[in-house]
Amino acid sequence: GQSLEQPSEVTAVEGAIVQINCTYQTSGFYGLSWYQQHDGGAPTFLSYNALDGLEETGRFSSFLSRSDSYGYLLLQELQMKDSASYFCAQWNTGFQKLVFGTGTRLLVSP
Amino acid sequence: GAVVSQHPSRVICKSGTSVKIECRSLDFQATTMFWYRQFPKQSLMLMATSNEGSKATYEQGVEKDKFLINHASLTLSTLTVTSAHPEDSSFYICSARGKASGGSTDTQYFGPGTRLTVL
Repeated sequence: GQSLEQPSEVTAVEGAIVQINCTYQTSGFYGLSWYQQHDGGAPTFLSYNALDGLEETGRFSSFLSRSDSYGYLLLQELQMKDSASYFCAQWNTGFQKLVFGTGTRLLVSP
Repeated sequence: GAVVSQHPSRVICKSGTSVKIECRSLDFQATTMFWYRQFPKQSLMLMATSNEGSKATYEQGVEKDKFLINHASLTLSTLTVTSAHPEDSSFYICSARGKASGGSTDTQYFGPGTRLTVL
């Protein structure tokens, strides 16, 4: 089976940098994705790491270490609108379904 | 970009009634559709996966007779919550996988969700 663990909550101030970690256990690996979800909204795709290393997309970066079964999402120059829940997610063997992590609620304060 | 719609966005019903939620892929054909349920402050939990024209595959612990899924076409899937009870109150999100116009690979797109409240 698959399980992806994240811290439940992270707090930070505007302009800061925050890192949201994700550790996973899986029998197969097909990359790690990150999604953002605002309250009452749908998840929106942020990034995807298929290989080890850092992927950068604007203020957001995502890192993956397959040997450590670990990844993180890095958010820079935090803005109030970044307050949301963030989920790592992983496809199962055969890309049959996308399994979500436990989720991290990010609270950005002024 | 590809769009997935859900209808209704919000529904309130009495205990014991059935509720149908529609999920449509608006500008692409979805090879597979997924239904997730999300309780407040929790993660998205996959309920079932369906392919057009075939029976849905339900996750362990999800009652197939209570959550009826129909995937009649490549652009429409429905979830019917039968004999709903207050504990079924949740946020239901559908997702569709396919190739959007101009795309080269399958991507998963999420609908806006349906908030179900059972009184």
